Amino acid sequence: GESVGLHLPTLSVQEGDNSIINCAYSNSASDYFIWYKQESGKGPQFIIDIRSNMDKRQGQRVTVLLNKTVKHLSLQIAATQPGDSAVYFCAENNAGNMLTFGGGTRLMVKP
Amino acid sequence: EAQVTQNPRYLITVTGKKLTVTCSQNMNHEYMSWYRQDPGLGLRQIYYSMNVEVTDKGDVPEGYKVSRKEKRNFPLILESPSPNQTSLYFCASSSRWRGQQETQYFGPGTRLLVL
Repeated sequence: GESVGLHLPTLSVQEGDNSIINCAYSNSASDYFIWYKQESGKGPQFIIDIRSNMDKRQGQRVTVLLNKTVKHLSLQIAATQPGDSAVYFCAENNAGNMLTFGGGTRLMVKP
Repeated sequence: EAQVTQNPRYLITVTGKKLTVTCSQNMNHEYMSWYRQDPGLGLRQIYYSMNVEVTDKGDVPEGYKVSRKEKRNFPLILESPSPNQTSLYFCASSSRWRGQQETQYFGPGTRLLVL
């Protein structure tokens, strides 16, 4: 598959456990945030987003938390499954026309 | 099926030989964008387009050109490729809503090797 990153932070979890992936963003003016999942050999895939007027948003098995005070974003995955193994990116948008991506975190799920 | 397609998926070329990577989306999205992805550097935006005939530079536009003559297509042009443009390239598109960008849908990627 495609090499996404050689020195990515890696989170290793046991199947069935909850995963928490963290992201620090840089621009205090950013008002829209997205989490993407990228599997080997594929393009990034949208997971969940959140706007700055919220501090929590839930999807199916995923929750995003936003702490604007410390410019921190987290993605929580409940009951992590082997199919969740991938690289996860956060991205921020400052109401302009560009998205800025974080460096990514590799999630490895042990069966 | 809603999708973003890129061609070719893999390309090996030599320094200086002009090439074009095509991108097409069937979702009637106004916004399209090109990214390159490199180990340790993540995804970096090359160019984006807000709509037909409207394009703007991203973070790393040097050595690249784009055009947006039709809404569905957004080709990436390397007039004179160099080895430092060896990378994995992604095209993405999104609609716009209330003036704010909606989530981007990514193509499958194009792996480019410039010798």
